Amino acid sequence: GIQVEQSPPDLILQEGANSTLRCNFSDSVNNLQWFHQNPWGQLINLFYIPSGTKQNGRLSATTVATERYSLLYISSSQTTDSGVYFCAVQTGANNLFFGTGTRLTVIP
Amino acid sequence: DADVTQTPRNRITKTGKRIMLECSQTKGHDRMYWYRQDPGLGLRLIYYSFDVKDINKGEISDGYSVSRQAQAKFSLSLESAIPNQTALYFCATGGEKSNQPQHFGDGTRLSIL
Repeated sequence: GIQVEQSPPDLILQEGANSTLRCNFSDSVNNLQWFHQNPWGQLINLFYIPSGTKQNGRLSATTVATERYSLLYISSSQTTDSGVYFCAVQTGANNLFFGTGTRLTVIP
Repeated sequence: DADVTQTPRNRITKTGKRIMLECSQTKGHDRMYWYRQDPGLGLRLIYYSFDVKDINKGEISDGYSVSRQAQAKFSLSLESAIPNQTALYFCATGGEKSNQPQHFGDGTRLSIL
């Protein structure tokens, strides 16, 4: 199946700092989603972004499908941003393939 | 109300017991999925269903079975639970087209002693 690599695996930020998370994938995709998994285990949909750029408040994402990567930007980080961020991609008509995530810790 | 509802949210049981996890959705989606998450890893697909009569195995289906009782309901069963099936289980739904986003339930935390 398709390979999904996320970097960095762990990230520690001071509150207020900005960060960029990266997702590389090994094949063409027709769906790409970013999720935030909170400390209670819930998966929160952040973006559906198979291509292009989207913004939602302090978060934005860009996917360059031709180069097979996506970036998630977090600006002015807050402690509530802590958790694990997953990138997941889909090829064809089947399931999402998940990366192993970036664990973000924001310290006050 | 949540669009994708999983029950129970937490379950502790013993080895050898039969377990059923239930999922219901109000999004009207045809496609439903069961995923499993182990600590430190992303989600992996167990089974998926594109409609009531179409059920397919995923990457890690051994030891699991599913039932699509209706368009809105998709249940996952562990016929004889074993400790290495301890994990966080997610149900998801997807739209008719493969390029539409998937929507996840809040997960079921299953512990098998």
